[in-house]
Amino acid sequence: QKEVEQDPGPLSVPEGAIVSLNCTYSNSAFQYFMWYRQYSRKGPELLMYTYSSGNKEDGRFTAQVDKSSKYISLFIRDSQPSDSATYLCAMRGLGGGADGLTFGKGTHLIIQP
Amino acid sequence: KAGVTQTPRYLIKTRGQQVTLSCSPISGHRSVSWYQQTPGQGLQFLFEYFSETQRNKGNFPGRFSGRQFSNSRSEMNVSTLELGDSALYLCASSLGQGVGETQYFGPGTRLLVL
Repeated sequence: QKEVEQDPGPLSVPEGAIVSLNCTYSNSAFQYFMWYRQYSRKGPELLMYTYSSGNKEDGRFTAQVDKSSKYISLFIRDSQPSDSATYLCAMRGLGGGADGLTFGKGTHLIIQP
Repeated sequence: KAGVTQTPRYLIKTRGQQVTLSCSPISGHRSVSWYQQTPGQGLQFLFEYFSETQRNKGNFPGRFSGRQFSNSRSEMNVSTLELGDSALYLCASSLGQGVGETQYFGPGTRLLVL
């Protein structure tokens, strides 16, 4: 079993829809959870960053972490064609120093105009 | 503030050659991490440098190495290239203060090994 599982998609939804992206993980040591957006031929761009369980909202984006279920989600409201990209979840533990992030393989999202 | 820059953006090499990639972090950032991204394996952590010292290392063979200079710029070297080394190599920088900080990625260097 991989440490982080993420459905690769593609996930295709019409413009304006609510998008739900998810990751599951197996390592209970993970405490910090991130969502990155990656456009084709670009580096990942940090979207959301949360610590431990709970919700965090930033504009049209909401990140949820459920540590008891080892499950994290990213919701995108009022989706736009410019949201079309690959979304990567990433996580890390509390290790001293900056431990490398563990990533999901990414979900390819397509927003249809 | 300028973002993370990586050079070159594209490279074509042949098997057995070696390659050096360069990364300049965001000004003030002292930690540089390197990742390999492939369609099959996704993003995988290579290593992290802080204050010219390797602080953390992923599960890659010794052919992959790196270093960091006093100005925090970092280089990554891959020796004896194999076809499977074809990938997007990403550099990420952070302040280096440790727990809880976020990493900011550069655009990557796309390496093709023929």
